[in-house]
Amino acid sequence: GAVVSQHPSWVICKSGTSVKIECRSLDFQATTMFWYRQFPKQSLMLMATSNEGSKATYEQGVEKDKFLINHASLTLSTLTVTSAHPEDSSFYICSARGVGGESQPQHFGDGTRLSIL
Amino acid sequence: GQNIDQPTEMTATEGAIVQINCTYQTSGFNGLFWYQQHAGEAPTFLSYNVLDGLEEKGRFSSFLSRSKGYSYLLLKELQMKDSASYLCAVMDSNYQLIWGAGTKLIIKP
Repeated sequence: GAVVSQHPSWVICKSGTSVKIECRSLDFQATTMFWYRQFPKQSLMLMATSNEGSKATYEQGVEKDKFLINHASLTLSTLTVTSAHPEDSSFYICSARGVGGESQPQHFGDGTRLSIL
Repeated sequence: GQNIDQPTEMTATEGAIVQINCTYQTSGFNGLFWYQQHAGEAPTFLSYNVLDGLEEKGRFSSFLSRSKGYSYLLLKELQMKDSASYLCAVMDSNYQLIWGAGTKLIIKP
């Protein structure tokens, strides 16, 4: 149980392109989803937290107009990197937490490796 | 500020036992998680401790001492596939997860 699907797994695109990443909880309802980015050999950096039906909460330093998050249902959240530039290249990972409160573990998708040329 | 400390890298031998320590200083405490992350992959959940003591789950065990702000992950009968990074994460009083930088575990035959 607790499977999270993230697509696409790999994106290579030109600078200025917008990229959408999907995160789905397949066998549970995710009241809260999280978006992280991770640079090589570094820890996870939380970008934003999204709750179904409400606006995402962004961490300090993360541009909400640059990284658009939509959590339209209890099983789907999307992250759109708008007008992506080479410095946005990174490993983006989503996670989902089911009902049962904040002490429930986060279950992670497989991540999306984004490369902007 | 909030801080999670764990060793950057450890090396152990196949079949042996290794203990990965994690110390933390956070504003409040609502539990500690251990995750395993293989290179190039997303983390997978290993354990959750909120009360003091040892939680055993197969070859993996996790220990917590809240008074000392300390936890460890114990891996027994090490296998080559256990080579990965192990992330310690603490949930603070606002239920925010504070992540450690991870410990890269290298298993040698």
